[in-house]
Amino acid sequence: GAVVSQHPSWVICKSGTSVKIECRSLDFQATTMFWYRQFPKQSLMLMATSNEGSKATYEQGVEKDKFLINHASLTLSTLTVTSAHPEDSSFYICSARYRDRWRDTEAFFGQGTRLTVV
Amino acid sequence: AQSVTQPDIHITVSEGASLELRCNYSYGATPYLFWYVQSPGQGLQLLLKYFSGDTLVQGIKGFEAEFKRSQSSFNLRKPSVHWSDAAEYFCAVGYDYSGAGSYQLTFGKGTKLSVIP
Repeated sequence: GAVVSQHPSWVICKSGTSVKIECRSLDFQATTMFWYRQFPKQSLMLMATSNEGSKATYEQGVEKDKFLINHASLTLSTLTVTSAHPEDSSFYICSARYRDRWRDTEAFFGQGTRLTVV
Repeated sequence: AQSVTQPDIHITVSEGASLELRCNYSYGATPYLFWYVQSPGQGLQLLLKYFSGDTLVQGIKGFEAEFKRSQSSFNLRKPSVHWSDAAEYFCAVGYDYSGAGSYQLTFGKGTKLSVIP
């Protein structure tokens, strides 16, 4: 199956600094990539949807200036948490999919990134 | 708005016993249905999917699910559970409102499965 690689798996940063998380589709070209946030013992909350070469579409309540998403190529999307604060600590997961002959495929997920802001 | 309900927050079964995890979705256009599994600290792995065709879907690791349109359900089953199946299971649904094959995915809240040796 298609593979999505997310890096880093975990990161600790100081409050006020920025952190970049990468999401790569290794063996396919992703038409769409998604970023989710997951709180402990909860489901996934969609943060934004990004298509290559265009601006990301953010879900209501997600701060665009806080969570910068760049989708520079068909295989790479990045999420930058700017001026991170302890409340941004969470598990961030990306997913990607492509278009087959008839429809969008299922979503393929990265391993997730555990962000801890101290 | 589309929604997915997983009625059971936590299920405990004995190893070797059968398993059924429930999933109900809100009515909409052609539903695309998925089951994902998540181990602690990991991303999600697709167990099985339904886009169209045969309503009984076979997946990986011995799992299967049946799409029942009349009940708006897509329950996940496994005849004999293994200790390694202990994880969080998420049902997800997408609707192709435009008919162009594109959809937005909505996840249920998940069911945590514990397995007693």
